[in-house]
Amino acid sequence: DTEVTQTPKHLVMGMTNKKSLKCEQHMGHRAMYWYKQKAKKPPELMFVYSYEKLSINESVPSRFSPECPNSSLLNLHLHALQPEDSALYLCASSQDRGTGRYEQYFGPGTRLTVT
Amino acid sequence: DQQVKQNSPSLSVQEGRISILNCDYTNSMFDYFLWYKKYPAEGPTFLISISSIKDKNEDGRFTVFLNKSAKHLSLHIVPSQPGDSAVYFCAASFTSGTYKYIFGTGTRLKVLA
Repeated sequence: DTEVTQTPKHLVMGMTNKKSLKCEQHMGHRAMYWYKQKAKKPPELMFVYSYEKLSINESVPSRFSPECPNSSLLNLHLHALQPEDSALYLCASSQDRGTGRYEQYFGPGTRLTVT
Repeated sequence: DQQVKQNSPSLSVQEGRISILNCDYTNSMFDYFLWYKKYPAEGPTFLISISSIKDKNEDGRFTVFLNKSAKHLSLHIVPSQPGDSAVYFCAASFTSGTYKYIFGTGTRLKVLA
C-alpha cells in the first residue's frame, strides 16, 4: 500500500471559519509533510513532522496549525484564513532517512478556497 | 531565492522521440535529487531519483543524469508516450539531518501523437 489519503478533496470556507484538513498513511513512514501549491507554481514546504515531532516550520503564519496525533495521521487546522491562502494543500510522507529511501509519497491534495 | 530552477516552463515532443527535461540548482549541499510527475488535480508522483555520488540512474524509459560540477540534472524519457504528458518537477534534498525538499518550478511536457 503506497497510498496517502487526504480529506476533504475540496473545501470552501469563510475568513472567520475554523476547519481542518486530514492526511493519513499506512506505509509506516515516520516523516510527514504539508505543502501549499498555487497554480503554475511548485509545491512550497510548510511543515515537516519527524517521528511525530515538528521538525520544520517554514515561517508559516499562525492561522495554520499542524498536528500529528500519531505516526499515521497528520492534520492541518485552519483559522481566520485570508483569500490569498486559497491553494492546493498537499500532504506527503517518506521513510526515515536511515533507510536510504528518500522519495516522498503525495496525497491527491485538498483544494481550498477562502471566500 | 529559487534554489532549484527549471528554466523551460514547457516542452513539446513528438511521440516516440526523446524528451529531455532540465533542472539547475544553486546549493552545493544538496546530495539527493528526485523527479516527480504531476497530473492536474492529483498529487505529484515519484518517478526516479539520484544520489550525488552517482552521475546516472536508469529505470525503464526514464534516465536521470547528474553533473555536480555544473549543478545540473536532466531527465531523459525514451521513447516518449502521450501518457507522459504532465508537469514534471525536480526536487533537491539532503540524505542526512533535515527532511527538507526544495522543488523546482516545473516543466509542462506535451507529447504529441
